Amino acid sequence: AQKVTQAQTEISVVEKEDVTLDCVYETRDTTYYLFWYKQPPSGELVFLIRRNSFDEQNEISGRYSWNFQKSTSSFNFTITASQVVDSAVYFCALSEAKGNQFYFGTGTSLTVIP
Amino acid sequence: DTGVSQDPRHKITKRGQNVTFRCDPISEHNRLYWYRQTLGQGPEFLTYFQNEAQLEKSRLLSDRFSAERPKGSFSTLEIQRTEQGDSAMYLCASSLGRDRALPNEKLFFGSGTQLSVL
Repeated sequence: AQKVTQAQTEISVVEKEDVTLDCVYETRDTTYYLFWYKQPPSGELVFLIRRNSFDEQNEISGRYSWNFQKSTSSFNFTITASQVVDSAVYFCALSEAKGNQFYFGTGTSLTVIP
Repeated sequence: DTGVSQDPRHKITKRGQNVTFRCDPISEHNRLYWYRQTLGQGPEFLTYFQNEAQLEKSRLLSDRFSAERPKGSFSTLEIQRTEQGDSAMYLCASSLGRDRALPNEKLFFGSGTQLSVL
């Protein structure tokens, strides 16, 4: 079974619009870690955020914000006032405390149109 | 900080040939991972090292695949008797993990090696 589901395969928005990328995860562990990574056209995955399962506080970093809801097993990512440079594939990932693997979703390809 | 380096960036080979990829992690990182990514998919875990010890291997890692990290620094991933299904981007990542029981802070990825098997 897929541990991380990113249902949105591709999203296109016009510059300055807000966009939310969805992530739903599945785990039986009570301790786990959630991540978002950005993969620009250059190919290198870039870390954006790490959140542990005990911290449900939403986080904001500049134009980025994350909404973690354990009740729905979701960890959604919102970009406010999108820019062309935000165009990339975004991956949500899960790491369980018992193992050392990172389980990645299939990614959401975001295109920001100028 | 030079980041995670992977060599080569691209590799084209004929089916049945052996290939070897190299990864140089960030120097103070003691954890090293190999992932495989195919078009339109997220990275899939292959194997993981804590220093020189290979601690986990995915079922994806068939007998034709072998990874080493002999001195706990750089790592190599070898694929023997390559098949067309091996065509993918092979990603290396490293992280600083001081305790085997602790989960990772975050992974630093290299740019990957794109393998094409003809």
